[in-house]
Order: sequence, then structure tokens, then C-alpha cells
Amino acid sequence: NAGVTQTPKFQVLKTGQSMTLQCAQDMNHEYMSWYRQDPGMGLRLIHYSVGAGITDQGEVPNGYNVSRSTTEDFPLRLLSAAPSQTSVYFCASSYWQGAGEQYFGPGTRLTVT
Amino acid sequence: SQQGEEDPQALSIQEGENATMNCSYKTSINNLQWYRQNSGRGLVHLILIRSNEREKHSGRLRVTLDTSKKSSSLLITASRAADTASYFCATDARETSGSRLTFGEGTQLTVNP
Repeated sequence: NAGVTQTPKFQVLKTGQSMTLQCAQDMNHEYMSWYRQDPGMGLRLIHYSVGAGITDQGEVPNGYNVSRSTTEDFPLRLLSAAPSQTSVYFCASSYWQGAGEQYFGPGTRLTVT
Repeated sequence: SQQGEEDPQALSIQEGENATMNCSYKTSINNLQWYRQNSGRGLVHLILIRSNEREKHSGRLRVTLDTSKKSSSLLITASRAADTASYFCATDARETSGSRLTFGEGTQLTVNP
């Protein structure tokens, strides 16, 4: 199993540009989520999904969209990038629910100039 | 706001010594988890302790939970240079009904060879 994969690994955007961060898992996990990690801080939940077709907002959802058309994929869209969205983004999945053991991807380091 | 707060923020020890990290949280929980993050990598799940458990072991790791004090500790015995990483606690708060985890800001552990 590849586990949780994320692409790209690094990305630089200009303010106002949009892009999609990709996340995929091959463990047949129902629950998937996106976090952002800023220097010296823990992880903050952006959006999560408890199954295909179902998404919900986390702690810091503004400026981000998600969709879950398949069990495997959970892309995160930045609608109009802002410097405040410079961060490292982690995708995670879990077998039984959001509060179970999380499997994390390697992260995407995003810089918005 | 962060549910879990780790203490200390940074810890530097010699190889072979024990490392103790603490986590305090604010609300009632279903479970508490500890994760490790090596520099530039995703988080890796270490151990989960449920609210009705007081102590749990996994290899060189020992986790305790005191729900009356709303605190947990992670002890790494006989530390190795490879244990150098950031350690995060994450809580499943009863108020969010298992839908998500809330992460603390982490403790940076450095084990000197």
C-alpha cells in the first residue's frame, strides 16, 4: 500500500491564483481530512469528509473548498490564494472516524507571494 | 483555540536518558493520542489512550492519562538520537462526538548522541 499520497510536494503561487492540492489514499478509509501547519503551531483542521459525497468544515475553512467524489480522493482547492495561506498542508485518513488513528501524507509546502 | 497544550515546548537530552512530555487539555475527551513528526515529514501515530484508561505502554513509550487533571504525559525511555522529532498530543473531545481530533502545538525533542 502506498498509504496517503499528496501532490505536489512544493508549490509557489502568486496572490490571487487558484490551485488544487491532491490527496489520495489506498487503504479504503472512509474518513479523510485536511490540516494546515504553521511554524510553531500544531495542526489546524480545514475540512473533513466522513465518506464519499459528504464534507464538512473544520476550524479554519475560509478560502478553501473540498469535494469527495470517490473514497480514494480528497482534493483541496484554494480559490484565490493569499499570503496568509502560506503553510504546510497535510492530508490524513482514518479507518473508522475522525477521532481514530490518523494516517498522514507527507505534506505539501505552499508559499504564496 | 488549541485543545491540547504540550509542555515543555522544547526538550534537549542525552542519548540513554528518559524524556517526559506533558499535555493538558480543556474539555472532556473520549480519547487522547500522541503523534511524532520528523522534520519535513508527516505525522506518525504513536499511541491512543481512552478516557477510561490510566496508563498504556508500547515498546519504549509509556503514556499516562489523568482525566481529573485533564492531562497526559508521554515518557520515552532510554532515548536514542533517532527519537529526535516533534511530539504532538491530539484529543477527541466529547463535544465533537468523534468527528475530529484537535492537536496541540507540540514539543520539540532533541536527543544528543
